Amino acid sequence: EDKVVQSPLSLVVHEGDTVTLNCSYEVTNFRSLLWYKQEKKAPTFLFMLTSSGIEKKSGRLSSILDKKELFSILNITATQTGDSAVYLCAVQGLNNNDMRFGAGTRLTVKP
Amino acid sequence: EAGVAQSPRYKIIEKRQSVAFWCNPISGHATLYWYQQILGQGPKLLIQFQNNGVVDDSQLPKDRFSAERLKGVDSTLKIQPAKLEDSAVYLCASSKTSGGARTGELFFGEGSRLTVL
Repeated sequence: EDKVVQSPLSLVVHEGDTVTLNCSYEVTNFRSLLWYKQEKKAPTFLFMLTSSGIEKKSGRLSSILDKKELFSILNITATQTGDSAVYLCAVQGLNNNDMRFGAGTRLTVKP
Repeated sequence: EAGVAQSPRYKIIEKRQSVAFWCNPISGHATLYWYQQILGQGPKLLIQFQNNGVVDDSQLPKDRFSAERLKGVDSTLKIQPAKLEDSAVYLCASSKTSGGARTGELFFGEGSRLTVL
């Protein structure tokens, strides 16, 4: 059965710290891996990764995929209180392009 | 551009009652998804539509859940009869192409929070 496992489940840091969130997956016919940020409401898209070893960056956030070891990491540098959210990892398959989500990592950034 | 619209935002019902949620996707988006998100968990796909056809409903509890997208635009998700374990946020999402193939991006609505007492 396809699955997506995120770790840690929760994380508390202070402003300015750097964090690394992990996502491992098992899925048949892998197409892409996506990261979303969910604050109080709907998830918002961060990155889509399809190729190994190519880093995606957006400001203080970056992500990379390892298709051999079946995992991805999301890095946030110089964290701010506004980064506090649940970060969701989702894997998209080739079959119908359905998207399977992990349980998320709840990040809390303290001032 | 208007986002994905969902209603109601909140609903409280007693077990064995029925409830319906409505979703209007972004104009022109062919693919519509319903997800169930239980507190502390990631969203779980219930059903995926491509226009008015069902692409995947393998995780939809069909004995009590039903969904339709008759004209290929807006959609309704119904639960009848509701159980305590159905308490969750029901998220609707849409994408331009099947699975948002080009960008991988699903656009989510704000969700409908269901509490079953």
